[in-house]
Parts: sequence; C-alpha cells; structure tokens
Amino acid sequence: GAGVSQSPRYKVAKRGQDVALRCDPISGHVSLFWYQQALGQGPEFLTYFQNEAQLDKSGLPSDRFFAERPEGSVSTLKIQRTQQEDSAVYLCASSLGRGTSNQPQHFGDGTRLSIL
Amino acid sequence: KQEVTQIPAALSVPEGENLVLNCSFTDSAIYNLQWFRQDPGKGLTSLLLIQSSQREQTSGRLNASLDKSSGRSTLYIAASQPGDSATYLCAVKGGSNYKLTFGKGTLLTVNP
Repeated sequence: GAGVSQSPRYKVAKRGQDVALRCDPISGHVSLFWYQQALGQGPEFLTYFQNEAQLDKSGLPSDRFFAERPEGSVSTLKIQRTQQEDSAVYLCASSLGRGTSNQPQHFGDGTRLSIL
Repeated sequence: KQEVTQIPAALSVPEGENLVLNCSFTDSAIYNLQWFRQDPGKGLTSLLLIQSSQREQTSGRLNASLDKSSGRSTLYIAASQPGDSATYLCAVKGGSNYKLTFGKGTLLTVNP
C-alpha cells in the first residue's frame, strides 16, 4: 500500500480482556517498529523487527505485551489481561532499510486503545 | 539514557511570522535526528532527517539544523501559515541501536 496501515483505529476494551492490534507496513520495508504514545507525551519505543526477526523488545512494559511478525510483513501487537495504564495510542512505523540505516521511519495513524 | 527536550511546549504566532522550534538531547552519540509533524488524532509525518555528519536540511519553508557537539537542533519555519498548526516532534536515533527517542513535542498554533 501507499502508507503504513493500522487497524483498528479505535479499540475499547474492559480491564482484563485481551486485545490485538494490527500493522501493515509499506510493502518491501524491512524494518518495523512499535511505539506507545501516552496523552501529551512523545512516542516511546516498544519493539523492533527486522523482517520476521524480533531483534529488540526492550521497551515492552511487561510480559503481558507480545508482538510478532511471522512472515516479515504484517505485524500484530497483543496485550493480554489489559490494565487501565495500557490506555494509549499505539503507533507502528516501518522503514526500507535495517534499523541502523539512515532511512526515515514512516508512521501509521495509530490505534487508540481505551481500557475501561 | 538519551533524553530529548523540546522548548517551548506550546507556541502561538500570527500568520506570516518566521519561527524557531528548539530540540536538545543529552547524548551526542547519535546516528541521525528526525523532525516530525503530528496532527490531532493522526500519526507522525516525517518532515526532515539530518544525518549525524550533516549540519542542516531544507524542504520548502522548513530548515532544520543540527549541532551534534552541543546536543541541539532547531526547526525553522518561514512565513508560517494556519495549515502549519500541529504538534512538532523531534526524535534522535542513537548510534548503536534502532529506536527513536522522542521529545514531548511543541504544539504550534498559527492564527489567521
């Protein structure tokens, strides 16, 4: 596609439910990143994939957060047993080269997650 | 740990003014610095990327400078327009990792 696509755009869940957020990167992009953006803050890094390999997951807040990119294209971020503090906008970004290249990261519009 | 600070947090100017947004970072060992624009309810749009070996980049009415040794970058917007109203975010990529570290952004309002 022309840009990074994320779905759903909005997700409301009750505390304790599991959620899955999807990211379709730009076709052919090697690198894929997930960020979490709290209200009034800048995005914070969650995890990085190079093709299907998850090379860095140091930003995942807890073991309730899990991300995968099994075929090196579409990625899913899963949050188990959601808590109110998980409420945020989850942004996906992709770039053409490997993470350490100088290629810019292109962002999707995000999924706004609200936990009741 | 890299920390990025943006000043001011908010800025309101009349249409037509030239303005400067500031970004500072604590660790000068960066790979590159990127300026983004974020409209309400939207993702981030990349405006300019400056590699660590570069001093500035220009795109239309935007000019970004980088002084790596002092840990500073500025985004200059010439002849501002109401359509420039958005939050502007600065992000740095460290020299040895993949992730971008963001500031909290500057909320710019350009009044007609």
